[in-house]
Amino acid sequence: AQSVTQLGSHVSVSEGALVLLRCNYSSSVPPYLFWYVQYPNQGLQLLLKYTSAATLVKGINGFEAEFKKSETSFHLTKPSAHMSDAAEYFCAVSDRGRTYKYIFGTGTRLKVLA
Amino acid sequence: KAGVTQTPRYLIKTRGQQVTLSCSPISGHRSVSWYQQTPGQGLQFLFEYFSETQRNKGNFPGRFSGRQFSNSRSEMNVSTLELGDSALYLCASSLGGLSNQPQHFGDGTRLSIL
Repeated sequence: AQSVTQLGSHVSVSEGALVLLRCNYSSSVPPYLFWYVQYPNQGLQLLLKYTSAATLVKGINGFEAEFKKSETSFHLTKPSAHMSDAAEYFCAVSDRGRTYKYIFGTGTRLKVLA
Repeated sequence: KAGVTQTPRYLIKTRGQQVTLSCSPISGHRSVSWYQQTPGQGLQFLFEYFSETQRNKGNFPGRFSGRQFSNSRSEMNVSTLELGDSALYLCASSLGGLSNQPQHFGDGTRLSIL
């Protein structure tokens, strides 16, 4: 069964510093991968998705993620953190079969320090 | 294009009561999924409907049920409410035809049980 692991339930970075949020998946076949962001009292918003085209995926708000099959990872990065990036981030996987199931990670809460 | 709409946004109930939550998906989306989000358990999958049929189901008791109408709108019902049912309930829609399609979330219904 596929699964997704997000390392670090809380991450703090200084404003202007690199943001790195980790996501590893477990699947015999590389799944489709997504990153979502959730702001307080809101639903999840899609940041970016990997569906087997380019391995480096660019998303909204300056975020990007790189799919690395050898490491079974799909880490989310942003070169320079803004205060407005403070939120909770979720990695999700969807298999390539037709089960239509999405598996979400446990989330990483990002704190940006002034 | 209008997003996913969930009503009501906030709800207060007492133990033993029942509740119905509503979700209107993005126009053209045929898949609707429901999730329960709590601080302790994170995002947990309840069930997914596609073309009025339940296609996937999570590990929740039978008190949690749902349905989907011919216009793809969906409702979720929880009977005999317990204190532990207090949570943010999120609805997500997608086109539903392929597993590489991302889910689009509503802002949720926050249910509080007294």
